[in-house]
Amino acid sequence: QSVLTQPPSASGGQRTTISCSGSSSNIGNNYVYWYQQLPGAAPTLLIYKNNQRPSGVPDRFSGSKSGTSASLAISGLRSEDEADYYCAAWDDSLSGYVFGTGTKVTVL
Amino acid sequence: EVQVVESGGDLVQPGGSLRLSCEASGFTFKNYAMSWVRQAPGKGLEWVSSISGSGDVIYYADSVKGRFTVSRDTSNNALSLQMNSLTVDDAAVYFCVKMFTADWYAGFDYWGQGTLVTVSS
Repeated sequence: QSVLTQPPSASGGQRTTISCSGSSSNIGNNYVYWYQQLPGAAPTLLIYKNNQRPSGVPDRFSGSKSGTSASLAISGLRSEDEADYYCAAWDDSLSGYVFGTGTKVTVL
Repeated sequence: EVQVVESGGDLVQPGGSLRLSCEASGFTFKNYAMSWVRQAPGKGLEWVSSISGSGDVIYYADSVKGRFTVSRDTSNNALSLQMNSLTVDDAAVYFCVKMFTADWYAGFDYWGQGTLVTVSS
């Protein structure tokens, strides 16, 4: 089951922000990762260790974390950004990974 | 180039067993933890299991504990997932995932394309 809460959808013409709410046992004490899943494709890494971008990921994508919540911001939205986005973190209490519920981004 | 390629997905009856495999290349396999993550049709991502680079630390999701067994073969750069007592709730695309480091908590880095497991009578 998903322990991290995300809004089911997000949209925007220029910028959108996706929230990821957790607890002290996951986001509050561990790194947050963000993944993009394009339709029909496998997930790909978007943000690691809260706010780090892998090489090849545009700087339009940015991550942040505060307390037991994290956020992914996408600026300069493009049609190719339409996808599902998931946050993830290790959970110390469950001794396992937890994913967010997923957010579908639509570009207006 | 990092590559992880899953295989073994199939149609299986409830109560049956299946073994998934993952072939890794493009990186020093023993230096990285590996995981399995699944996604039921139209649903979100669910972590299944992680194994450290050395293979001595293994974690399972409660939903599969006691039924699934993960293992790795460093000599063949291969990861496996033995799945027993399958139920309809186990039907999903199973992704093999390379982690960031040898530690199981390091975060998911590179994902394979997935292999489909269907559980139905």
